[in-house]
Amino acid sequence: GENVEQHPSTLSVQEGDSAVIKCTYSDSASNYFPWYKQELGKGPQLIIDIRSNVGEKKDQRIAVTLNKTAKHFSLHITETQPEDSAVYFCAASLYGQNFVFGPGTRLSVLP
Amino acid sequence: DTAVSQTPKYLVTQMGNDKSIKCEQNLGHDTMYWYKQDSKKFLKIMFSYNNKELIINETVPNRFSPKSPDKAHLNLHINSLELGDSAVYFCASSPAGGGGLSDTQYFGPGTRLTVL
Repeated sequence: GENVEQHPSTLSVQEGDSAVIKCTYSDSASNYFPWYKQELGKGPQLIIDIRSNVGEKKDQRIAVTLNKTAKHFSLHITETQPEDSAVYFCAASLYGQNFVFGPGTRLSVLP
Repeated sequence: DTAVSQTPKYLVTQMGNDKSIKCEQNLGHDTMYWYKQDSKKFLKIMFSYNNKELIINETVPNRFSPKSPDKAHLNLHINSLELGDSAVYFCASSPAGGGGLSDTQYFGPGTRLTVL
């Protein structure tokens, strides 16, 4: 089955700096890769996703890149703000089924 | 107008009891899910259900059972609760069960279960 690794497990950045979180997956058939943000006491919320037919996707300060050959994808957050502090999860799935989540990255943005 | 809602938000109970967590989605989605998030924040799928097919993660004990009275609801019943069942349980829903254009899952706010 699919296995998703995520690094780093914790990340601290200064406000205004960029943050990068990386994930690798094992099943080359996976074709959908969402990123979720989980704030304290809340459920995970989708922030961006990418499909296997696309190499990069951007939404304002957030971007995701996908390297299918290497089976890894990354989340990039630019101009970080304190409200970006949360736990971020990557996931891999095949057509939205059998989501497998990474273990999460706790991002702290220091003012 | 909450998209995916769960009740209760907190549940504290004794070992050996039977309890239920309710989930409702008003998004018109076809598929619903239950996840367990342990103390280390690891999210693991327990069930997916789309009113035709129930897919069970084989690692889930049979003390856990999903019940769906209709497409908008998927409740989680837990029998003979154990200490290790303490976790946060999330319900989620998605538009399609697979092969669709929109595979995104939308999560509820979670239910924190504490077994004493």
